[in-house]
Amino acid sequence: DTEVTQTPKHLVMGMTNKKSLKCEQHMGHRAMYWYKQKAKKPPELMFVYSYEKLSINESVPSRFSPECPNSSLLNLHLHALQPEDSALYLCASSAGDTYSNQPQHFGDGTRLSIL
Amino acid sequence: GNSVTQMEGPVTLSEEAFLTINCTYTATGYPSLFWYVQYPGEGLQLLLKATKADDKGSNKGFEATYRKETTSFHLEKGSVQVSDSAVYFCALRVAGGTSYGKLTFGQGTILTVHP
Repeated sequence: DTEVTQTPKHLVMGMTNKKSLKCEQHMGHRAMYWYKQKAKKPPELMFVYSYEKLSINESVPSRFSPECPNSSLLNLHLHALQPEDSALYLCASSAGDTYSNQPQHFGDGTRLSIL
Repeated sequence: GNSVTQMEGPVTLSEEAFLTINCTYTATGYPSLFWYVQYPGEGLQLLLKATKADDKGSNKGFEATYRKETTSFHLEKGSVQVSDSAVYFCALRVAGGTSYGKLTFGQGTILTVHP
């Protein structure tokens, strides 16, 4: 069982919709991440939060908006997405800060389809 | 920069066969090394890790040894099962520096085990 919980597991939305992805961890980790993964490819880093502050944005389009309400929660707000944004969105967390070499622990992801 | 190269797949084996998936890396700094596994429809699970030269990571019958002299971290299992069918990712993380602890993945190796 994964210790990083993501909801929903599946999401279908139109290009004009607004939706949010949620991620929760209770391991006391202070670094949290959003990744995008296309089929059979490695995950691509999108955002990094360290101690609830956004520390890294990997040049992600503004239609993706992350939020970290507290140390256990991470959200990804979606608006006006494009069909090419259809993918598996993974959340991860790790001990230490973003500069550590600790492993990252992943959730099962949200499979997003844009109509 | 940092990079990870995995053997090209897909790899197809019969049950109880010996498995090797090659992984080599380049890194600026001293990396920690990881193997992640992704089962169909799921997120990434940390399979094993090694943080310094000559460390051997092991889990669920899988093993990998951190070889600094050959910059390698090959994954092995003595007898695979059908349930091992998945995508395997080799990854590294370097503490600090310009990579800000970013997790660098290989391209992934698809393993299929037949009864």
